Amino acid sequence: GQQVMQIPQYQHVQEGEDFTTYCNSSTTLSNIQWYKQRPGGHPVFLIQLVKSGEVKKQKRLTFQFGEAKKNSSLHITATQTTDVGTYFCATEGSGGSNYKLTFGKGTLLTVNP
Amino acid sequence: NAGVTQTPKFRILKIGQSMTLQCAQDMNHNYMYWYRQDPGMGLKLIYYSVGAGITDKGEVPNGYNVSRSTTEDFPLRLELAAPSQTSVYFCASGATNEKLFFGSGTQLSVL
Repeated sequence: GQQVMQIPQYQHVQEGEDFTTYCNSSTTLSNIQWYKQRPGGHPVFLIQLVKSGEVKKQKRLTFQFGEAKKNSSLHITATQTTDVGTYFCATEGSGGSNYKLTFGKGTLLTVNP
Repeated sequence: NAGVTQTPKFRILKIGQSMTLQCAQDMNHNYMYWYRQDPGMGLKLIYYSVGAGITDKGEVPNGYNVSRSTTEDFPLRLELAAPSQTSVYFCASGATNEKLFFGSGTQLSVL
């Protein structure tokens, strides 16, 4: 399956600051998904990006897929304590079908109120 | 609509014991997955299935077995449990090119 590197591993911010996590691959990705896992919880789907250069927004969250489809980012504007958790990117194996979804190691976000 | 149901939620095993982690989904999804998550780490794919009767290995299959006799169920079997298998196990399901739905997880300790 595809290997993706996710950085940073940890990020601590003051409430109100912005936050960005990056997902990078050495090979072209067919698509990428982002998930959030609250402490003690299970991963919950946030978004899927498919097109080169795609940008999607969900309230304070902005997701981007690189032009070369080798990287992606998740940006949170003005973090809140409810944003605490681990953010994972995930990508599928070869063939263009969503059958072998592998995850990055995640970025743990903590927010100081 | 229950989504993805995993049982049990917690389990303690002794070294060498066996057990089956149950996973069921009621969304008629073709794809089902088993992941393990070690403390502070990401999700590692153990096994996955693209439909009833079809399973394949993921990144870390050693020490585990799966079966998929029906669309709904995807049990994970641990034979001869080892301390290295202490982890949180997540089952997930999804439709083609769509998001995954995760169960609430099984916390397993092997002592």
